[in-house]
Amino acid sequence: RKEVEQDPGPFNVPEGATVAFNCTYSNSASQSFFWYRQDCRKEPKLLMSVYSSGNEDGRFTAQLNRASQYISLLIRDSKLSDSATYLCVPYPVDSSYKLIFGSGTRLLVRP
Amino acid sequence: GAVVSQHPSWVICKSGTSVKIECRSLDFQATTMFWYRQFPKQSLMLMATSNEGSKATYEQGVEKDKFLINHASLTLSTLTVTSAHPEDSSFYICSAPTAGHTEAFFGQGTRLTVV
Repeated sequence: RKEVEQDPGPFNVPEGATVAFNCTYSNSASQSFFWYRQDCRKEPKLLMSVYSSGNEDGRFTAQLNRASQYISLLIRDSKLSDSATYLCVPYPVDSSYKLIFGSGTRLLVRP
Repeated sequence: GAVVSQHPSWVICKSGTSVKIECRSLDFQATTMFWYRQFPKQSLMLMATSNEGSKATYEQGVEKDKFLINHASLTLSTLTVTSAHPEDSSFYICSAPTAGHTEAFFGQGTRLTVV
């Protein structure tokens, strides 16, 4: 079973829209998560860390639901520059610090 | 913030030759680095863990004799793709966690094309 499952999308939204992605995870021991964004042919860049029930940073809000084992990312007032693939990554529960990536969710913001 | 530099950013090589990719942590020491590979429209796949001063540990299905990893110092890990073939063409990317493992930084990636 995959560590995380995300809707691959693409989510095609107009500028200014609010869009939300969900990410379900299989390991109930996972306590913290990262949201990364990856542009085409580029390295992933950390968007947000989520260590408790949620986190907010400007237009981005992440919420963690431990009971249902999912984490969501909400983007408000979408910009063209938000077009990217968004990757939900659990913080490793062992000491390896291996980050295991899923396929992510692709977002396309249109003018 | 911490920076990881990867070189080269792209390389084209002939089938059968070897290619070396370097990953450097510029302002922090990294006893561990990770190497990933990403094929088009697929996810980042962890290949191996590079350990400073000891052997790398490889993920299942990754050939250690084909993908040689050397982590000779606290700031440099290298991945050598030996006897490259067209199917090795991919985006290779390294990452290094900071002290305390609160965050991982990624190199810019290397696009390898084997012709």
